[in-house]
Amino acid sequence: GESVGLHLPTLSVQEGDNSIINCAYSNSASDYFIWYKQESGKGPQFIIDIRSNMDKRQGQRVTVLLNKTVKHLSLQIAATQPGDSAVYFCAENIRGYQKVTFGTGTKLQVIP
Amino acid sequence: DGGITQSPKYLFRKEGQNVTLSCEQNLNHDAMYWYRQDPGQGLRLIYYSQIVNDFQKGDIAEGYSVSREKKESFPLTVTSAQKNPTAFYLCASRGEAVLNTEAFFGQGTRLTVV
Repeated sequence: GESVGLHLPTLSVQEGDNSIINCAYSNSASDYFIWYKQESGKGPQFIIDIRSNMDKRQGQRVTVLLNKTVKHLSLQIAATQPGDSAVYFCAENIRGYQKVTFGTGTKLQVIP
Repeated sequence: DGGITQSPKYLFRKEGQNVTLSCEQNLNHDAMYWYRQDPGQGLRLIYYSQIVNDFQKGDIAEGYSVSREKKESFPLTVTSAQKNPTAFYLCASRGEAVLNTEAFFGQGTRLTVV
């Protein structure tokens, strides 16, 4: 979605709990989705991706769910740790095109 | 090590001056991107380039210019026409579009107008 003028929503989670970060994507033609983690003052880092022929993909402590019907992505982080505190962005892309569109982002705060 | 490098990390500019931010990648990626990030906000696309000698405007191209003379390099010039240039600038690169892979980011340049 459009991020101009919008400040990041914040999700506060207790250490050890699971986190769920949501993202609504804009283009029904998008077929590739990526989650990035951005720590303060640094560039975004790749976490996990998913293609539109899948509903779910798991990584280490992270799971991405894709619901194409409602154009929704979620990132689940298991057993959230203080090092998970960061801003998380989803991004979408159409295969064969180079424009990558980012969502608004969510700030995750982990409470020790 | 393969990667994408932005320089400098911090940059100060006087009002009315143009300034150029450097972005170099040795990943042999076709596409390169420039994003702007304001405090507490998301990423907005300024320009992107799919191949050498080609580039397209993103959502906020006004007051910026780019060039892509070499595959490895995609410098961004912030011109005096950019009314509010103070921001964090991120460069990224990506492989072939048909491969559908993630973009890799540099560590950013923080530009401050003084």
